[in-house]
Amino acid sequence: GAVVSQHPSRVICKSGTSVKIECRSLDFQATTMFWYRQFPKQSLMLMATSNEGSKATYEQGVEKDKFLINHASLTLSTLTVTSAHPEDSSFYICSAVSRDNARNIQYFGAGTRLSVL
Amino acid sequence: GENVEQHPSTLSVQEGDSAVIKCTYSDSASNYFPWYKQELGKRPQLIIDIRSNVGEKKDQRIAVTLNKTAKHFSLHITETQPEDSAVYFCAASNSNSGYALNFGKGTSLLVTP
Repeated sequence: GAVVSQHPSRVICKSGTSVKIECRSLDFQATTMFWYRQFPKQSLMLMATSNEGSKATYEQGVEKDKFLINHASLTLSTLTVTSAHPEDSSFYICSAVSRDNARNIQYFGAGTRLSVL
Repeated sequence: GENVEQHPSTLSVQEGDSAVIKCTYSDSASNYFPWYKQELGKRPQLIIDIRSNVGEKKDQRIAVTLNKTAKHFSLHITETQPEDSAVYFCAASNSNSGYALNFGKGTSLLVTP
């Protein structure tokens, strides 16, 4: 099946620093990637939709200057949490939709657990 | 926007029993309804999905039913096993939104031996 790689799996950083998370589709081209945030024992909340070669579409309440998304190629999207603060600590998960998949199934990365001290 | 409600939030069954999780959605334009299983600290895994042109779909011990008129869909797991224990999420999406998923709050299923 389709594989989505997300890196790093865990990051601990100091308040005020920026953190970059990578999401790669390993064996398929992804026209669209999604970024979700998940708090402990809660559901996945969509943050933004990322389309290759265009600006990301952010959900209401998500600061685009805080969460920078770049989708430079059909296999890579990055999320940068700028000037991270403790309240940004969360589990961030990406997903990718295959360009050739008529079913538009979303394949998820393994997630990145961000802890901001 | 789309609002997906999921019940129950927790479900405990004995091994071999059936488990049913129900979801409702608000946007009549939604036409794709996947179910994901997520084990603790792991990525969500698609277990079954259904589209609005189908009323029921089955894959071995797992089945999903969809009632478009009532805007609800359900996951049925038969002959449950301890390894079925996980959090299950329903979701709804439509092609107009590029298939972005709107998730329910999840159901924590515990199957006891």
